[in-house]
Amino acid sequence: GAVVSQHPSRVICKSGTSVKIECRSLDFQATTMFWYRQFPKQSLMLMATSNEGSKATYEQGVEKDKFLINHASLTLSTLTVTSAHPEDSSFYICSAGLAGANTGELFFGEGSRLTVL
Amino acid sequence: LAKTTQPISMDSYEGQEVNITCSHNNIATNDYITWYQQFPSQGPRFIIQGYKTKVTNEVASLFIPADRKSSTLSLPRVSLSDTAVYYCLVARIHKLIFGSGTRLLVRP
Repeated sequence: GAVVSQHPSRVICKSGTSVKIECRSLDFQATTMFWYRQFPKQSLMLMATSNEGSKATYEQGVEKDKFLINHASLTLSTLTVTSAHPEDSSFYICSAGLAGANTGELFFGEGSRLTVL
Repeated sequence: LAKTTQPISMDSYEGQEVNITCSHNNIATNDYITWYQQFPSQGPRFIIQGYKTKVTNEVASLFIPADRKSSTLSLPRVSLSDTAVYYCLVARIHKLIFGSGTRLLVRP
């Protein structure tokens, strides 16, 4: 089956620094990837849709200058949390679907836990 | 995107069959019904998907009535490792909006 991998799985950083999280589709090409964040005991919240070769589409209330998304190739999307603060500490998850299979089946990465001190 | 409603939590015991029902009254004609499972600190994992009637795979069954306004995920003979959050989603595109999910606790 399709595999999506994230790196790093855990990252700790100091307040004010920037952190980059990578999301790769290992055995398929993904023109579109999705980024979610999840707080403890809560559901996944969609942050943005990452489009290969074009700008990401952000959900309402998500700061695009805070969460920079780059989708430079068909197998890699990156999320950069800029000037991170403790309230940005969360579990970030990416996902991708097979092109043409528009049925709502997504393949998710393992997630990346960000802790901002 | 159709909104879904499912129980917040359920308890069960090992070996029992667990049925989680989800309502989606505003489901559109082209929407598929998909269930995901999530363990703590992991990304969601696809369990099963259906459009109508019944679908069965190696881990679960999905029952969908004719009006498609609800669906039931059936987990046969659950084990402790089935303790997780289960999400029901309806969508026809890859952009998925997650509801609150059902937290299933399987007890010995």
